[in-house]
Amino acid sequence: AQSVTQPDIHITVSEGASLELRCNYSYGATPYLFWYVQSPGQGLQLLLKYFSGDTLVQGIKGFEAEFKRSQSSFNLRKPSVHWSDAAEYFCAVGAAAAGNKLTFGGGTRVLVKP
Amino acid sequence: EADIYQTPRYLVIGTGKKITLECSQTMGHDKMYWYQQDPGMELHLIHYSYGVNSTEKGDLSSESTVSRIRTEHFPLTLESARPSHTSQYLCASSELGGRTGANVLTFGAGSRLTVL
Repeated sequence: AQSVTQPDIHITVSEGASLELRCNYSYGATPYLFWYVQSPGQGLQLLLKYFSGDTLVQGIKGFEAEFKRSQSSFNLRKPSVHWSDAAEYFCAVGAAAAGNKLTFGGGTRVLVKP
Repeated sequence: EADIYQTPRYLVIGTGKKITLECSQTMGHDKMYWYQQDPGMELHLIHYSYGVNSTEKGDLSSESTVSRIRTEHFPLTLESARPSHTSQYLCASSELGGRTGANVLTFGAGSRLTVL
């Protein structure tokens, strides 16, 4: 069965500083990987996705993520955080063998200090 | 602008009431899903559908039921609500297949249910 771990429950970062959110997955083959963002009281918005090919993927709002097969990781990064980036971030994994159903990590809540 | 709509956004009801959470999408997606999310917690899949007249239970057991009579509509029903059903319910949809076969989910804004 596939699983996703987001080791950091909360991260506090100063506005303008860089941000990195960790995501580790467990699956035998190459999975499909996603990062979603959830603002308070809202649904989830897709930031970026990895299916195959270039392991560094660019997303919306200045985010990028790098797939590292050797580390089973798909960490999300942003060079300079804005106050509007304060939200909950979810990593998710899907796999064809699992009927492409997504499994989500527990989420990382990002707080941005002025 | 949202292409998947959930109503109501917020609902507070008493124990024993029957409730239906509505979900509609205008994208013509075949696949639809219901996730349950407790505050500050991860999402758990409770129901999904691959098309009209197709419904399956998800990974997390739920007392709710769903139906898929029309492609665009995937309502979730609780026959007798209890405080343990208090949660946020997120509806999502995706296209079937595609070049890679991977699902990219589009989510609604969610329905936050409180049962007193």
